[in-house]
Amino acid sequence: DTAVSQTPKYLVTQMGNDKSIKCEQNLGHDTMYWYKQDSKKFLKIMFSYNNKELIINETVPNRFSPKSPDKAHLNLHINSLELGDSAVYFCASSPGPSSYEQYFGPGTRLTVT
Amino acid sequence: GQNIDQPTEMTATEGAIVQINCTYQTSGFNGLFWYQQHAGEAPTFLSYNVLDGLEEKGRFSSFLSRSKGYSYLLLKELQMKDSASYLCAVRVLILTGGGNKLTFGTGTQLKVEL
Repeated sequence: DTAVSQTPKYLVTQMGNDKSIKCEQNLGHDTMYWYKQDSKKFLKIMFSYNNKELIINETVPNRFSPKSPDKAHLNLHINSLELGDSAVYFCASSPGPSSYEQYFGPGTRLTVT
Repeated sequence: GQNIDQPTEMTATEGAIVQINCTYQTSGFNGLFWYQQHAGEAPTFLSYNVLDGLEEKGRFSSFLSRSKGYSYLLLKELQMKDSASYLCAVRVLILTGGGNKLTFGTGTQLKVEL
């Protein structure tokens, strides 16, 4: 059984397009996260939701809009894609916002051409 | 903000012991984590320290000194499969909105050789 799943695994698109990445967790966790890992392997948090409510919003361009329809899902929509958006995007979840362990999804490799 | 430093690369021999250091400067410290990440895969949790001292977990141990802003990950009896990136991450408490935020270092790429 997959604990944290993301779709798609790979996404290649052109500049200016709008795309979405989906994340689902079947662990019954309350808290979900989006991270971006750039070409230098630097992993940086973007957003966190707890029970569908936004609790962490780092300095991310407003072209990025997360949406949590329920606590098992956290999707990421990106408008007007730019070359610098190329990265691996990881979704993660934890039992709660204070839990020490986060479970990461397999990642979505986004390439903007 | 947070500042986390760890070596970029390390090489060690199969069967040996290697220590990966991490130094950090932060406010609102609420724990230090080590994650392992193989190429093309997701990070996986290795260890967590919130109090000073050594936490041992099989071949892996992690140490924390909060007063020095210092941690290390110790890997014993190295195996080829231990070749991976090791990420040091500091957790800080978010005062507004609740929750905790993990800030990662840039990772140490460990290469285990025969």
